[in-house]
Amino acid sequence: ELKVEQNPLFLSMQEGKNYTIYCNYSTTSDRLYWYRQDPGKSLESLFVLLSNGAVKQEGRLMASLDTKARLSTLHITAAVHDLSATYFCASWDTSGTYKYIFGTGTRLKVLA
Amino acid sequence: DTGVSQNPRHKITKRGQNVTFRCDPISEHNRLYWYRQTLGQGPEFLTYFQNEAQLEKSRLLSDRFSAERPKGSFSTLEIQRTEQGDSAMYLCASSSQEYGYTFGSGTRLTVV
Repeated sequence: ELKVEQNPLFLSMQEGKNYTIYCNYSTTSDRLYWYRQDPGKSLESLFVLLSNGAVKQEGRLMASLDTKARLSTLHITAAVHDLSATYFCASWDTSGTYKYIFGTGTRLKVLA
Repeated sequence: DTGVSQNPRHKITKRGQNVTFRCDPISEHNRLYWYRQTLGQGPEFLTYFQNEAQLEKSRLLSDRFSAERPKGSFSTLEIQRTEQGDSAMYLCASSSQEYGYTFGSGTRLTVV
């Protein structure tokens, strides 16, 4: 059964600092998704990583995928307060339904 | 098309009552998923439809839960004899391919 783990679960960082969130998944998968969720809101798609070595960047966020290591990273550069949110990674179950399996999330708080 | 629409946005019900939620997916999407998210957790898969066929149900979906997607269009999720443990955000997502979920804004259920 596919399992997805994220770390850290909580992250408090100063504005202007850099940090990386890690996402490990347990079975072979060639794609990985990152979402952002603000309190009380639904999920907003950030990145879709479709192959080994894929790297995508949007503003201060950059995501990468290493399918051999079953690892994805979300790197935050020069954090700003607006990035405060919960970030989820999800891998997909290739057994037929293509359902997503989500990690437990990383709650990010950027301090001014 | 305005994306995936869910109604109601919020529902407060007394324990033991039945509730029904509705999801209107993006019109050309043939895949529809229901997820449940409790506080501090990632979304958990409940069930999946391809067109009108319900192809997978999670063991989380007890006998009190039923979902339908008549004619492969909108979907409903009904919870009978609600319990306090059913309090959660219920998320619907649709997709036309093996990647690229679009999530609705969710229905927040509170059972008192």
